[in-house]
Amino acid sequence: DIQMTQSPSSLSASVGDTVTITCRAGQNIASHLSWYQQKPGQAPKFLMYGASTLHTGVPSRFSGSGSGTDFTLTIRSLQLEDFATYYCLQTYNTPRTFGQGTKVEI
Amino acid sequence: QVQLVQSGAEVKKPGASVKVSCKASGYTFDNYGISWVRQAPGQGLEWMGWISGYNGNTKYTQKFQGRVTLTTDTSTTTAYMELRSLRADDTAVYYCARATVVIESWDAFDIWGQGTMVTVSS
Repeated sequence: DIQMTQSPSSLSASVGDTVTITCRAGQNIASHLSWYQQKPGQAPKFLMYGASTLHTGVPSRFSGSGSGTDFTLTIRSLQLEDFATYYCLQTYNTPRTFGQGTKVEI
Repeated sequence: QVQLVQSGAEVKKPGASVKVSCKASGYTFDNYGISWVRQAPGQGLEWMGWISGYNGNTKYTQKFQGRVTLTTDTSTTTAYMELRSLRADDTAVYYCARATVVIESWDAFDIWGQGTMVTVSS
């Protein structure tokens, strides 16, 4: 199984800040990585795929980069609605594996 | 609109089985697959398996192999997840999510059901 390691596990930020979340794969997964946002009591929401391609309707303040084993999710000009937990997911092979999550809190 | 609507919360005793449904609408069911993901209280997301909406092919994670069965009913565009021999640590929210119709690397879970809470308690 491919282990996905996110860092940090949590971070504190303020409205207007830029935050960066890192996801590291245990082996080369090319660009087969997607990101999800989850708020308490809600289902995850799809943000982007192919490491950097935003899903329709996702604000442009979200961006992703990386390939191989190291990936980042960056949120610029953090908004109140962005405070949530973020997960990466590798789809290079099965079983699909998620990172453990990064909680972005005020 | 495109959506997945899951069945309601369940409370089960240890050793019992549970079957969760996921009704798809707003898209062509057999052009996509369904992945199942669970989340224990306060924990992260865990992929359980996938089923093709086209031909019913399945992939399971080894952890659940033998205890979980994924099925579909294309006539009602509904996917099902059955988990047997329930234990207390199966207590979790179970999600279905739309995925690719074949297992491939260019996959992503773009639509999610609202989740079904399954509680296992004696």
